[in-house]
Amino acid sequence: GQQLNQSPQSMFIQEGEDVSMNCTSSSIFNTWLWYKQDPGEGPVLLIALYKAGELTSNGRLTAQFGITRKDSFLNISASIPSDVGIYFCAGTRGTHGSSNTGKLIFGQGTTLQVKP
Amino acid sequence: NAGVTQTPKFQVLKTGQSMTLQCAQDMNHEYMSWYRQDPGMGLRLIHYSVGAGITDQGEVPNGYNVSRSTTEDFPLRLLSAAPSQTSVYFCASSRTGKPDTQYFGPGTRLTVL
Repeated sequence: GQQLNQSPQSMFIQEGEDVSMNCTSSSIFNTWLWYKQDPGEGPVLLIALYKAGELTSNGRLTAQFGITRKDSFLNISASIPSDVGIYFCAGTRGTHGSSNTGKLIFGQGTTLQVKP
Repeated sequence: NAGVTQTPKFQVLKTGQSMTLQCAQDMNHEYMSWYRQDPGMGLRLIHYSVGAGITDQGEVPNGYNVSRSTTEDFPLRLLSAAPSQTSVYFCASSRTGKPDTQYFGPGTRLTVL
């Protein structure tokens, strides 16, 4: 089935370092989303992107919707121990404004570990 | 509001047994979905519903049944459990159907022996 390729699979970094992860697809997506999942919990939405080239920040997090619509990246600046978790990208091919939660495609996830 | 609740949190089944995973939301959301999460696979959509009485298949529907008799509840049924259905199951709901309004439940960890 359709897939998003997310990399890296895992990262082990020192507190204070910046982190970058990305997501690519062979198909065009019209919406990109980034989620964080803590152990034993469901994913929580961090950032949603709707336009090609869009750059959006949420605190120390910044995400961009690639110009080709086939990729997105997430940056975390000055990492802290509570950033630990699994980060997922997800996308939809429906247009923004349409009901398309039934068509979310997820990446495989990036596991982030932060050493104090 | 309790948000999206799922029961049970953990379940162990034997091959061939049936069971229902419960999902409820108290936010009056029209849209509800079921996903499964396997290691290295991310989340995959099983079934979804855009309102009471309306359901549709997602990416991996085989082996699962759903119904939506009320706005609040969206149970997922495994008629004859198989080891391949060992996974973590997440229910989600959304007010508008747009993914940025979607909330996930805490998950049910299912093991099929």
